[in-house]
Amino acid sequence: NAGVTQTPKFRVLKTGQSMTLLCAQDMNHEYMYWYRQDPGMGLRLIHYSVGEGTTAKGEVPDGYNVSRLKKQNFLLGLESAAPSQTSVYFCASSYTPPGYGANVLTFGAGSRLTVL
Amino acid sequence: KQEVTQIPAALSVPEGENLVLNCSFTDSAIYNLQWFRQDPGKGLTSLLLIQSSQREQTSGRLNASLDKSSGRSTLYIAASQPGDSATYLCAAIGTGAGSYQLTFGKGTKLSVIP
Repeated sequence: NAGVTQTPKFRVLKTGQSMTLLCAQDMNHEYMYWYRQDPGMGLRLIHYSVGEGTTAKGEVPDGYNVSRLKKQNFLLGLESAAPSQTSVYFCASSYTPPGYGANVLTFGAGSRLTVL
Repeated sequence: KQEVTQIPAALSVPEGENLVLNCSFTDSAIYNLQWFRQDPGKGLTSLLLIQSSQREQTSGRLNASLDKSSGRSTLYIAASQPGDSATYLCAAIGTGAGSYQLTFGKGTKLSVIP
């Protein structure tokens, strides 16, 4: 049981380059999320999805796009990377809305992105 | 806007001590509060979730309490062990339009000294 898998784990980009982070979950979860974690800032929600084909903006969506074409995958794209997007990105998923009942978020191991 | 604060930012204790980590939130209209553990270079692992109707949750040596009226939650770790060394984060889950968004604190970095 792999849980939540993020690829790549590390990536270095130059300003203006584009890339896509892939999040895959094998738990049949409806809800998926992308967070970024920065020193001194805590984790902040970028985008989320409440089911296949849906996406919504979180707290810090600017500069990112997402897609959820398949239930098990949630892609985070950077069209034109900027140094301010240097961060550790975490994907998470849940069967129900976060905290509902006994279900909790399951996190991936993170993707460390550096933009030069 | 919900704000979550964790104090202290770092804590170092000798093995075997009982300890308390604090979490405060500004908006008491929360749905749930969740405690996570994060090991260096790793993702977050859920420890305990307290629903708004509950006062506390227990799992092994961990006990988390929630007082919505005062905007506070505490995580109590009994008989600490070196393996407990990690960063502990709390997250408040909002209601209504904020129900999909966890607001995280910045964490407390715990070091348990053998």
